[in-house]
Amino acid sequence: DGGITQSPKYLFRKEGQNVTLSCEQNLNHDAMYWYRQDPGQGLRLIYYSQIVNDFQKGDIAEGYSVSREKKESFPLTVTSAQKNPTAFYLCASSMSKNTGELFFGEGSRLTVL
Amino acid sequence: KNEVEQSPQNLTAQEGEFITINCSYSVGISALHWLQQHPGGGIVSLFMLSSGKKKHGRLIATINIQEKHSSLHITASHPRDSAVYICAVRSLMNYGGSQGNLIFGKGTKLSVKP
Repeated sequence: DGGITQSPKYLFRKEGQNVTLSCEQNLNHDAMYWYRQDPGQGLRLIYYSQIVNDFQKGDIAEGYSVSREKKESFPLTVTSAQKNPTAFYLCASSMSKNTGELFFGEGSRLTVL
Repeated sequence: KNEVEQSPQNLTAQEGEFITINCSYSVGISALHWLQQHPGGGIVSLFMLSSGKKKHGRLIATINIQEKHSSLHITASHPRDSAVYICAVRSLMNYGGSQGNLIFGKGTKLSVKP
C-alpha cells in the first residue's frame, strides 16, 4: 500500500550527538515536509522540499538539516546545535507544495537523555 | 493571537452524542484541512475544504469563507472517535518563509465514553 514510513518510532539521544530520522514515501509526491510537535502547541514546520535536490527552511530550522537526494526520501538530522530537541517529529507529503491532501507518517519520538 | 484557533480544547462526550469542533482563522486561505491524530501519534487527513460542505461517513465538515470559520461534526459518536482533531489552513500570504505553508491549530482532544 502507498504511504509514508518513518523510522525509528522511538529514539534516545545523548546530549551532543547528532541523530537522523528517516522518512520514505511511495506516493510519488513531489512535496515533503518535516514538522515538530510539542505538548500544547500546533505543528511547526522545520523544513520542506518541493522537488529533488531542493529544500527550504520553515519556521524552526535552526539546529536541523535535511537532504532530498531522491524523490522518495527526505531524512531529517537533529544536530547537537538544536537546544531543545526532545519532541515528536512528523513527516508529511503532498502532491505538490501548495495543493493537495496531506499524508503523514506515524511519527518519531526523540528523547534527549 | 494565534492565526488558527480551535474550540473547545478538550471535549468529553457519551457514545451516540452529536459532536461539534470549531476552527476560526484570521488569515486569507486557499484551503482548510481537518486532521485526526491517533493516540499513538499518527495523523490522518479527514477533509480538505475550500468552500461549502463535505461528508464522509459520520463526519461532516463545513466552512464559511466570509466568516473565516469551519466546523467538524461527528454524528453518532463512538469511542473509536477518541482522538485529537486538528484544523490547519493553507495561507495565501507569506508565512514561515513561503506562501502556501500550513498554519496549524493546537488541536481538540475528544474523548467518547461508552
